Amino acid sequence: GDQVEQSPSALSLHEGTGSALRCNFTTTMRAVQWFQQNSRGSLINLFYLASGTKENGRLKSTFNSKESYSTLHIRDAQLEDSGTYFCAAEINTGNYKYVFGAGTRLKVIA
Amino acid sequence: DMKVTQMPRYLIKRMGENVLLECGQDMSHETMYWYRQDPGLGLQLIYISYDVDSNSEGDIPKGYRVSRKKREHFSLILDSAKTNQTSVYFCASSLFAFSNERLFFGHGTKLSVL
Repeated sequence: GDQVEQSPSALSLHEGTGSALRCNFTTTMRAVQWFQQNSRGSLINLFYLASGTKENGRLKSTFNSKESYSTLHIRDAQLEDSGTYFCAAEINTGNYKYVFGAGTRLKVIA
Repeated sequence: DMKVTQMPRYLIKRMGENVLLECGQDMSHETMYWYRQDPGLGLQLIYISYDVDSNSEGDIPKGYRVSRKKREHFSLILDSAKTNQTSVYFCASSLFAFSNERLFFGHGTKLSVL
């Protein structure tokens, strides 16, 4: 939605290289989650962050609530990393809910 | 094995027919969600359920209703389906709604309304 802007919208990486995906938020977000949607359409939860940085293997994510953005770094990209990556931001509109970005389509090339 | 299960995986209906999408979770999560995913739009929240018979509209509830009679089951109902409801529907759950909790998604149901 308009509250979560993801960039880039699409990205190609050669195997072994890396890049960063970014989500900018237009309002105060309490937390962020990152998901990978694979070729079968399944949504895999990669990270949940209320602040700071988390790392898992070749993936690292940071959430800066003061500056209203989050990043997902991929290093040493592999073919199986291909898919669409979504960030979802937790906002309080009276009740808490998650607002999703439009996604970044990543293609890893051999 | 923690999972969210959706049935069916694929469904074809004619305009005006009723549609029932089912979702179950085995994690005793309080909160469950229905989203739809359309190209270029990410996931949009249709309804959220905070527990049995405690449901709230999301961002795009028009044309949908939900039912949650047991904590582990959450149904999405389309009364008289429309062609613009062709989409992929995802169910999700989280332990609570008001604390820092991860979302777990089902595999999705691809609905085509002809």
